[in-house]
Amino acid sequence: GAGVSQSPSNKVTEKGKDVELRCDPISGHTALYWYRQRLGQGLEFLIYFQGNSAPDKSGLPSDRFSAERTGESVSTLTIQRTQQEDSAVYLCASSRVSDFRSSYNEQFFGPGTRLTVL
Amino acid sequence: AQRVTQPEKLLSVFKGAPVELKCNYSYSGSPELFWYVQYSRQRLQLLLRHISRESIKGFTADLNKGETSFHLKKPFAQEEDSAMYYCALSHNSGGYQKVTFGTGTKLQVIP
Repeated sequence: GAGVSQSPSNKVTEKGKDVELRCDPISGHTALYWYRQRLGQGLEFLIYFQGNSAPDKSGLPSDRFSAERTGESVSTLTIQRTQQEDSAVYLCASSRVSDFRSSYNEQFFGPGTRLTVL
Repeated sequence: AQRVTQPEKLLSVFKGAPVELKCNYSYSGSPELFWYVQYSRQRLQLLLRHISRESIKGFTADLNKGETSFHLKKPFAQEEDSAMYYCALSHNSGGYQKVTFGTGTKLQVIP
């Protein structure tokens, strides 16, 4: 089937506005990740969802950032009161169940959402 | 805590020259390491994993536990190898696998 999809592909917003980014993982993938990729920099982990377990939010940079996931499907990343430093490409990835006792399951990445905060 | 270090932000080599992208890690457990690649205007994708001991597009990477390194190598660089390369470590986090990425190295192959 289709790979990971993200929407919108581009988002331009004004400083102080809230934005919501969406990720549709591959069907059957229980693990879902959000990353941030600033211009000229590497991948920055934001948040990780795995099945029904509590998400790992250790990468969220501030309380303006939050994410939700509906069951094992769609996830939304919300940034409140956006700042210019939030400008980046936000990547979502999904993988099959990632129990540590099993072999690593490859992460499949979406195309990203490019967020520009004016 | 686990960490992945890629010391070079940019590596420029001439076509036909050997390539070595450096990656060092720190992890107290048994590591699983990978290289991901992102070509221009394409999605980030898995290139190779150490447990497979495979060669993909002429690239190889050997896990050196003594030096805690997982450098990516290719004997003769091609222009199509120009891309962003990320080293990644899979580790146990609360019973599940979590992946930590390095900051990436941009490989530029000069014709």
